[in-house]
Amino acid sequence: QSALTQPRSVSGSLGQSVTVSCTGTTSDVGGYNDVSWYQQHPGKAPKLLVYDVTKRPSGVPDRFSGSKSGNTASLTISGLQADDDSDYYCCSYAGSYTWVFGGGTKLTVL
Amino acid sequence: EVQLVESGGGLVQPGGSLRLSCAASGFNFSTYSMIWVRQAPGKGLEWVSYISAGYYTINYADSVKGRFTISRDNAKNSLYLQINSLRAEDTAVYYCARNWRMDVWGKGTTVAVSS
Repeated sequence: QSALTQPRSVSGSLGQSVTVSCTGTTSDVGGYNDVSWYQQHPGKAPKLLVYDVTKRPSGVPDRFSGSKSGNTASLTISGLQADDDSDYYCCSYAGSYTWVFGGGTKLTVL
Repeated sequence: EVQLVESGGGLVQPGGSLRLSCAASGFNFSTYSMIWVRQAPGKGLEWVSYISAGYYTINYADSVKGRFTISRDNAKNSLYLQINSLRAEDTAVYYCARNWRMDVWGKGTTVAVSS
């Protein structure tokens, strides 16, 4: 149950796009189409942004999009807004009713 | 309104025990699987445990297996986590979340393990 690998930090300017990567193995990210992304502001509970690699819950703007290639999943945030300045976590199903999170990425909006 | 509210956290000595609760409202609790996730101070999220809607399937992270016990009472719309043999590294905010997508989260309850 090793954590998925995410960059510790990324940054982008208002209005631009950024992509956060999430690398796992064939036992988790590469083995299942069950990758989720969460946004967490300081002191708050995480919020689901993307599930099943590409799907968005109702109410999540289409500026947030997910994808996957092999053992790496990605979250792209387009049209960056000030409120996007936050921590982002990926999570993958890892078989046998276990899940594994990434270490988290701090997004700074410049 | 769909809501999850955790309770039961506190300060406990190493080796001690706590029982965390998660009260669900605004949805048909008995039809959803549930998950516990924790977050140590300044650290990332860690999946802790899973229980299916009908109690049949349960699993734990290796880091807590044998010390933590997840359970639920569908009649009371409640999820529980019994945590025993507490260690300093169990210090964290503990969140409950709805189903394997973790689409709804509570605000968390804080467990601090210290002598």
